[in-house]
Amino acid sequence: DIVLTQSPDSLPVSLGERATINCKSSQSVFYSSNNKNYLAWYQQKPGQPPKLLIYWASSRESGVPDRFSGSGSGTDFTLTISSLQAEDVAVYFCQQYYTTPPTFGQGTRVEIK
Amino acid sequence: QITLKESGPTLVKPTQTLTLTCTFSGFSLTTYGVGVGWIRQPPGKALEWLAVDYWNDDNRYSPSLKSRFTITKDTSKNQVVLTLTNMDPVDTATYYCAHIRRVGGNSNVLFDYWGQGILVTVSS
Repeated sequence: DIVLTQSPDSLPVSLGERATINCKSSQSVFYSSNNKNYLAWYQQKPGQPPKLLIYWASSRESGVPDRFSGSGSGTDFTLTISSLQAEDVAVYFCQQYYTTPPTFGQGTRVEIK
Repeated sequence: QITLKESGPTLVKPTQTLTLTCTFSGFSLTTYGVGVGWIRQPPGKALEWLAVDYWNDDNRYSPSLKSRFTITKDTSKNQVVLTLTNMDPVDTATYYCAHIRRVGGNSNVLFDYWGQGILVTVSS
């Protein structure tokens, strides 16, 4: 199975500041045949299901604010919140869909400093 | 508009069998490429994929739990049913069903719409 390791586990950030979350994969999730990285990011607020934010490592889901961005390729990926808002307090998960079984990172909790 | 909702018991005893139903709308499991998956999340912990059912009866299961799972569908009712045998307290979790976005083959499982989840507690 592909193992995804996120860092940090917890991230205190001041309102308006940048938040950066990392996700490292145990093997590449890049398909050279279509030049795509099979990596997604989800946001989960307390008591709610995960919400898809980013797919193909950097494509924003419809309706997701542009302060959320994804980057990276191969085995190293980053989710960036450019200016943290109060409503962004949540746990963020990465997920690979390169192969079955799909696997998730352990999650990063973003909180207000 | 795609929606999904999980239903079933919220409390089961150890060794019992859990049956969860995912009732969905906005898509059909008879349409090419469509799939529904199950994911669970123990309290305060990470997400764990369990199983997926596709329009063409291609069912896939988590290797670590495969012997305990069965996933079936009733296309006339727009439902997918997950059965998990020999429940244990470590199976206590919120169980989600989710729609799978077609992004490649059946091995490429990306969840775009999720149900609200159902918390299942395993306790005697």
